[in-house]
Amino acid sequence: AAGVIQSPRHLIKEKRETATLKCYPIPRHDTVYWYQQGPGQDPQFLISFYEKMQSDKGSIPDRFSAQQFSDYHSELNMSSLELGDSALYFCASSSGLAGINEQFFGPGTRLTVL
Amino acid sequence: QKEVEQNSGPLSVPEGAIASLNCTYSDRGSQSFFWYRQYSGKSPELIMSIYSNGDKEDGRFTAQLNKASQYVSLLIRDSQPSDSATYLCAVNKPGTGRRALTFGSGTRLQVQP
Repeated sequence: AAGVIQSPRHLIKEKRETATLKCYPIPRHDTVYWYQQGPGQDPQFLISFYEKMQSDKGSIPDRFSAQQFSDYHSELNMSSLELGDSALYFCASSSGLAGINEQFFGPGTRLTVL
Repeated sequence: QKEVEQNSGPLSVPEGAIASLNCTYSDRGSQSFFWYRQYSGKSPELIMSIYSNGDKEDGRFTAQLNKASQYVSLLIRDSQPSDSATYLCAVNKPGTGRRALTFGSGTRLQVQP
């Protein structure tokens, strides 16, 4: 079965640079979620989109922005990168059928800020 | 107090035993509960979801929910060394729409061969 696709899988950036992470949800899933997981921590919700509209917002820094496109893929844009942004970034998708919100995670992007 | 609490472990069980993982949550309005397995450096993998009080079984896994006690548990029968991982309890934020998940800190399970 098709899974969530994320690219790139690894990314190394310098401080103050920008980064763009991409997420392709499972086909026919209409909701995309972004989570950040620091070393030894649990995943923290950043932002989500349903039918291309922002659905929910968590602890996303103002330096980050995201959007969902007409083909349902989503991009997380990160500017003025800081050392503390080094983390695993996961995208998850759900279909919300019958009110069930099972979220399936992609493999993640490991971002390292030097 | 974290919204979702788990014992960090490690929980060590011998191969073939039952592993019991527990989770409590603070928001009584929470309606959906999930268990994810996460290997080091990998993404969370959905194992079980549960919405109603009682037990839900899927293969070697049984999820138990008690909303009155705000308690969720996961039982793993016939534990295998490949079950060694961190198990994350996740709760759907209350409200309408497609809500985000709030995770516990995870319990590290070690299954000894």
